[in-house]
Amino acid sequence: DAGVIQSPRHEVTEMGQEVTLRCKPISGHNSLFWYRQTMMRGLELLIYFNNNVPIDDSGMPEDRFSAKMPNASFSTLKIQPSEPRDSAVYFCASSAGQLIPGELFFGEGSRLTVL
Amino acid sequence: EDQVTQSPEALRLQEGESSSLNCSYTVSGLRGLFWYRQDPGKGPEFLFTLYSAGEEKEKERLKATLTKKESFLHITAPKPEDSATYLCAVSWGSNYKLTFGKGTLLTVNP
Repeated sequence: DAGVIQSPRHEVTEMGQEVTLRCKPISGHNSLFWYRQTMMRGLELLIYFNNNVPIDDSGMPEDRFSAKMPNASFSTLKIQPSEPRDSAVYFCASSAGQLIPGELFFGEGSRLTVL
Repeated sequence: EDQVTQSPEALRLQEGESSSLNCSYTVSGLRGLFWYRQDPGKGPEFLFTLYSAGEEKEKERLKATLTKKESFLHITAPKPEDSATYLCAVSWGSNYKLTFGKGTLLTVNP
C-alpha cells in the first residue's frame, strides 16, 4: 500500500521565491492535515481539510501561506513570498477519522530551506 | 504555557535497561492522547491511542498508560532499533486538532 506521498523531499530556494509543496493522501482517507516541524516549536498544525474542504486554517502563520485541496487525492501548500524563517520540515498527514483526528498517517516530509 | 510537556528531552539507555517516558498535559476535556514514533528523516508513525484514565495499550516492548494528567510510555528491555524520537499528542474539548509535545529522543546503545 502506498502511504502519504509528498514532493519535493528537499527544496532550497532564495528569499522572495514562491514555494509549492505537494501531497497525495492515502486513498479513502477523508481528512488531510499540513504540519510544520522545527526544533524550536516542534510539530504545529497549519491547516486541516475534511472532505476536501478547509475546516481550520488558524495555524497558517500569515497570508503568505495558502493551501488548496482540489480533489480527494491531491493537496498543495504554497508559500509566496518565502522568507528564511519559513525554513522547516513540512509534513502532510491523512486520516480516516472524522470527529477526532484519530490515527494520522504522515508522509516523509518536505524539508524547506530558504536562503 | 505549553499544553503538552514531554520529559526527559533525551534519554540514553543500555540495551535491556527498562525505563519510562513521560507526557503531561494541561488541557481539559481530553478526547484522546496519542503516541507516535519518529525516526530521523521520516514522518511520525502512529503507535497508540488512549481515551480514558486507567487505560493501557501494549505493542511489543512498549506499553502506554494514561492518568488524568499524564501518560507514560514504558519501554521494557529496549533494543537499539527502539532508538527514535517519541512524540505525544492530545486532542481535547471541541477541538479536533492534535497538539504535539516536543518529544523525547531515545537512544539505546548495544
